[in-house]
Order: sequence, then C-alpha cells, then structure tokens
Amino acid sequence: DTEVTQTPKHLVMGMTNKKSLKCEQHMGHRAMYWYKQKAKKPPELMFVYSYEKLSINESVPSRFSPECPNSSLLNLHLHALQPEDSALYLCASSQGQSNSPLHFGNGTRLTVT
Amino acid sequence: DAKTTQPPSMDCAEGRAANLPCNHSTISGNEYVYWYRQIHSQGPQYIIHGLKNNETNEMASLIITEDRKSSTLILPHATLRDTAVYYCIVRVGPSGGYQKVTFGTGTKLQVIP
Repeated sequence: DTEVTQTPKHLVMGMTNKKSLKCEQHMGHRAMYWYKQKAKKPPELMFVYSYEKLSINESVPSRFSPECPNSSLLNLHLHALQPEDSALYLCASSQGQSNSPLHFGNGTRLTVT
Repeated sequence: DAKTTQPPSMDCAEGRAANLPCNHSTISGNEYVYWYRQIHSQGPQYIIHGLKNNETNEMASLIITEDRKSSTLILPHATLRDTAVYYCIVRVGPSGGYQKVTFGTGTKLQVIP
C-alpha cells in the first residue's frame, strides 16, 4: 500500500472523451507531481505543483490540464487525447523544503482508443 | 543535475548481496545521490540517499566513494521481491518548495532462485 492514492487504477477512453485522473495524499506534503511512463521507459516529469501553484510544466501538450484544488489533491484533466498518450500516469508528493524523498502512487494505466 | 550511468541489467542469486553500481563523475559538491526502485506495475519507491558519508537503513546500504564520482547500492540479502528496476539519481536539494527528480534508464535487477 502507498500513502499516495490514485484513481482510477485503469482507464480506457476514446479520443473525443473528457476524463480526469485523481491523486490524493494526507501526509501534509506541499509539493505534488505528475509523471508519465511509457512501457519499458523511465518515468518522465510532466508537472510540479508547489504550495498549490504550478511550478513546472515540462512543455506538456494542452490536452493535459493539471489542477491542484488544495494541498491534498491533484487532478489531471484529459481531453482529445491521442493513442500515443496511452501510458502509466504516476502521481507523487514530497514535503518540499527538505531532502525528503518523493512518495509515489501506483499510477493510473490509461489506454486511449 | 549531474548525469548518471548504470548498467542496464544485473542478475543476483537469492540470498546473496546485490551490489548495484552508479557512475556520476560530474557530480557537484552540493548534489545528493538518491536511489529509487520500481517493481513491475507499481510506482517508484524511495530506497536511500546520501551526500558524502555512507548510509544504511532497513532496506539497503549506500556506499559513496571518497571523490563522490561513483556509488554502490547494496541489498545485503536479495530476495525475489527485490526484482525491480533500480534508479540512481543525482540532484541538488529542494528549491522553490519542490524537488525536480529526473529518472535515467536504471538497472534491471533480476533475483534468481
């Protein structure tokens, strides 16, 4: 079990659908992250939120829209995705101002048809 | 952040020590060495980190050479559950309230019965 909870675990969506991925942590962490991982590749950073403000956007296409409603929640809104966007989407959190590590959830496996 | 080099794969017999090397010859004085692992179909899991001194916790030991240009992660008694991809990451401490963690290709450790 992880302390970072991601829902849903699996998601299949069509290219015209709108869906959202959710991530929740109750460790009091103030930094939250989205990573994308393709099969047999390392995780790639997409977005970083620090104190509920977007701090990093790694040139992610606008069809991915992050949202941090409060310090415990992180959403990733998906719209008009392409089949190549199929991947494992990982959420992580960290304390922020320390060398404490990132805590990851087990991800949402997304398939775009 | 400094670039790291790891062997793509390693085997280890169950019950023996697994020694995973990482080269980070361009490391700066304020950069830490972190190790994470990712078991199949799970999110990455933090293992250990260090700056200059050797470190040990309940999972592993981290040995950093005196010149800090390389390090070794040691799993003292490998089990089948240790089969995973192990990532060595070198980075400075937190900045702006978050940590920008970039994963390399890692080492695929296979523990053999």
